[in-house]
This record gives sequence, structure tokens and C-alpha cells, in this order.
Amino acid sequence: NAGVMQNPRHLVRRRGQEARLRCSPMKGHSHVYWYRQLPEEGLKFMVYLQKENIIDESGMPKERFSAEFPKEGPSILRIQQVVRGDSAAYFCASSLVGTGNTIYFGEGSWLTVV
Amino acid sequence: QKEVEQDPGPLSVPEGAIVSLNCTYSNSAFQYFMWYRQYSRKGPELLMYTYSSGNKEDGRFTAQVDKSSKYISLFIRDSQPSDSATYLCAMSAGSQGGSEKLVFGKGTKLTVNP
Repeated sequence: NAGVMQNPRHLVRRRGQEARLRCSPMKGHSHVYWYRQLPEEGLKFMVYLQKENIIDESGMPKERFSAEFPKEGPSILRIQQVVRGDSAAYFCASSLVGTGNTIYFGEGSWLTVV
Repeated sequence: QKEVEQDPGPLSVPEGAIVSLNCTYSNSAFQYFMWYRQYSRKGPELLMYTYSSGNKEDGRFTAQVDKSSKYISLFIRDSQPSDSATYLCAMSAGSQGGSEKLVFGKGTKLTVNP
């Protein structure tokens, strides 16, 4: 887990504010995934990215959520105009070559919307 | 029918017991199967990774995949209090199966009592 770095670990936002969550994959990994874990729920897939490309965003809510993985720097999950229902743990994961290889998760970013 | 079903428990066993955790699935395209362990407020930690059917052993842990029955298992021998955590099964069809995303079970909460 230590290889995938997420920050911030905890984030409190008021309704209507923006939340930005960052993820640095393990060294050498070029595939990044974002998952969301709601209280008492399982992990739900949000988006799968490679450098500068969104490969699969079928799990992303249609509005307010966006993700990027630029050529340089961490992957960013951005939530605009947060609502209470966005309160959750957001996990980033990375792999060397998709799920044909092992996928490792970070420690998560806990978002609380007040 | 959910893609992945996992009994949420909770499961409570005495130290030294053999633990059996199971998941069933409906998507016949799944070919990569994983078990993760998640402690409270932490990220999922990869325990076992299996491609296609068969058994895999790593120390006290054994993973089994039966694709004909769409059923996977994780066995923990000589369980320890430190094994107390939530265990998540996860699976993917992979790029050849059309989707890289991991689909998770809801997790089984295990407590090993000293």
C-alpha cells in the first residue's frame, strides 16, 4: 500500500465547495484507477486512466466529477459543488499493465461534506 | 442479480480455526480473481491474485477458483487475531474480456478471538 500515495488523507468541505484528491501511482505504474467506498458499501469503480487518457469512465457520476492523469504529476479526482452524499472514502489504485497484472491500492482519502 | 455476491458476515472464530470465505459471480467473462484484506480506515491490501481456475497457496492463505460454478474461495489456516479485518473479493474480465475494472464483493468482516 505504501507505494500508492494519496493526499489529502482527510478532507472536510462545505456543501458547494470543490474537492481535489491526488494520487501518485507506484513507481513505474502507468495505469490508475479511482474507486469510491460509501459507508457500509463495497468498493465501486469510478474511472480508469492511463497517462493523458481516460480509458473507462463508466462509473463516474455524470455531473460534477472529473478525473485526469497528466503526462507529468499525479492523477487528480475533482468533485465540484460537493453535496453530503459525496462523503465517502476515495481510493486510488495503480498497476503496471491493467488487470493482467496486480493492482495495488493507496490508503484512501476520506471526504466529509458538512 | 448482482455481478458479485459475498456474504457480509460478520464471522467470528476462535484463534487457530480454519476460515472459509466465499464469493459467487454471474459474469462469465471474469478471468482475474483477487482477495484483498482491509483494516478499518485503511486501504485494501492485496492478499491473493489468481488467473482463471485453480488453486493458489501462499503461507496460511489458499485461494480457489471454480469457473464452472462461478465460485471463488479464500481459506485461512491457523487464524490469528491479526487476521481480524474485512476481506474483499474482486474480479475482472481484463482487456481481452472487455473491461479492466475490478468488481468487488461487499466484503466479509472477520473477527478472530484470542
